[in-house]
Amino acid sequence: LAKTTQPISMDSYEGQEVNITCSHNNIATNDYITWYQQFPSQGPRFIIQGYKTKVTNEVASLFIPADRKSSTLSLPRVSLSDTAVYYCLVGSSYSGYSTLTFGKGTMLLVSP
Amino acid sequence: SAVISQKPSRDICQRGTSLTIQCQVDSQVTMMFWYRQQPGQSLTLIATANQGSEATYESGFVIDKFPISRPNLTFSTLTVSNMSPEDSSIYLCSVEDRGGRGEQYFGPGTRLTVT
Repeated sequence: LAKTTQPISMDSYEGQEVNITCSHNNIATNDYITWYQQFPSQGPRFIIQGYKTKVTNEVASLFIPADRKSSTLSLPRVSLSDTAVYYCLVGSSYSGYSTLTFGKGTMLLVSP
Repeated sequence: SAVISQKPSRDICQRGTSLTIQCQVDSQVTMMFWYRQQPGQSLTLIATANQGSEATYESGFVIDKFPISRPNLTFSTLTVSNMSPEDSSIYLCSVEDRGGRGEQYFGPGTRLTVT
């Protein structure tokens, strides 16, 4: 079971780039790395997913080193509305759905 | 991405009673998931529900307490039985997209308070 470790909280200012790193030393060969964003009183929202190297979409970038033991979510030019909890998940159905375990997440606070 | 709705959005129930939460998806999906999120905490997977088969429960969760139905590819229910104040939580359903990679889409959640 690939356990994840993230910083509990991070602070940033509007317009800055934010990088949140997740450690997952026991990642299995079949596991994907998925990041979610959750606002208060809402369900988590899918942000980005990757397996290796770099993935970019309209919202964020995900950097995964060759050993896949960590990953970094990069949010370019954050705004106040990016204040949320960010979760890193590692797993896949091939490893068993029980592997899709949410860690404690990172509370990102963006200030003016 | 799938659009998921849940009913009710919130409820206040007395201990000893049961509540059934409904989850409706706007497209056919194979796997559905039920999570619990206690105030200020992360999400905990209760069970996975595959249409046409019994739900698979995670450690610490049992069918007698959290029976799940999955009658078709767009709908599922979770019942919280014989409730106690410790069951006060947000219950979320989700569905898997792009088969197998763990990309999930979540409903808005049901906020349950047990008095």
